Amino acid sequence: DSGVTQTPKHLITATGQRVTLRCSPRSGDLSVYWYQQSLDQGLQFLIQYYNGEERAKGNILERFSAQQFPDLHSELNLSSLELGDSALYFCASSAAGTSPVQYFGAGTRLSVL
Amino acid sequence: EDQVTQSPEALRLQEGESSSLNCSYTVSGLRGLFWYRQDPGKGPEFLFTLYSAGEEKEKERLKATLTKKESFLHITAPKPEDSATYLCAVQAFGGTASKLTFGTGTRLQVTL
Repeated sequence: DSGVTQTPKHLITATGQRVTLRCSPRSGDLSVYWYQQSLDQGLQFLIQYYNGEERAKGNILERFSAQQFPDLHSELNLSSLELGDSALYFCASSAAGTSPVQYFGAGTRLSVL
Repeated sequence: EDQVTQSPEALRLQEGESSSLNCSYTVSGLRGLFWYRQDPGKGPEFLFTLYSAGEEKEKERLKATLTKKESFLHITAPKPEDSATYLCAVQAFGGTASKLTFGTGTRLQVTL
């Protein structure tokens, strides 16, 4: 168990809908990362938050947004969903300081029908 | 742009048959190279971090090595429970981001 908790495990929805994915980082970790894993592209970095502030953005679509709350949990919001958004979404967390190891949650499998 | 290429895409070994997985990378300045193991439907599980050329790390039947251009994950006398996808990722120095750039992985199957 990595200590990173993601909910829900599975999400099935329709095109055009909006969903929210939730992540609780490991105790004490200030950084949260979101990654998307699809069959043809592997793990792709979406966005990073550090202690409530956005730190870096990857190839995240404008339809997607995220935030990190004062208790350090994070949410990834996906709107106007398309069939191509179907993928596994992973959250990872890391501690501050010199050890940059990211620990991953079990993921949320999103199916857009 | 940071890039990671892993080979082979898939590898089938018999139990006890040792082999190596390759990870070639290009990065502006390497902060760390990471190996993860991923089982189907699960999140990546951290295995090793390597920071500089010449560094080696071992864990049970796995040994990771690093040069300036590539990393190898050596699997000695593998067992069926070693079957998984092995992911390599790099983290670069610079800026405020600590993102990982992943390769597409090597799917390892170990049979009896």
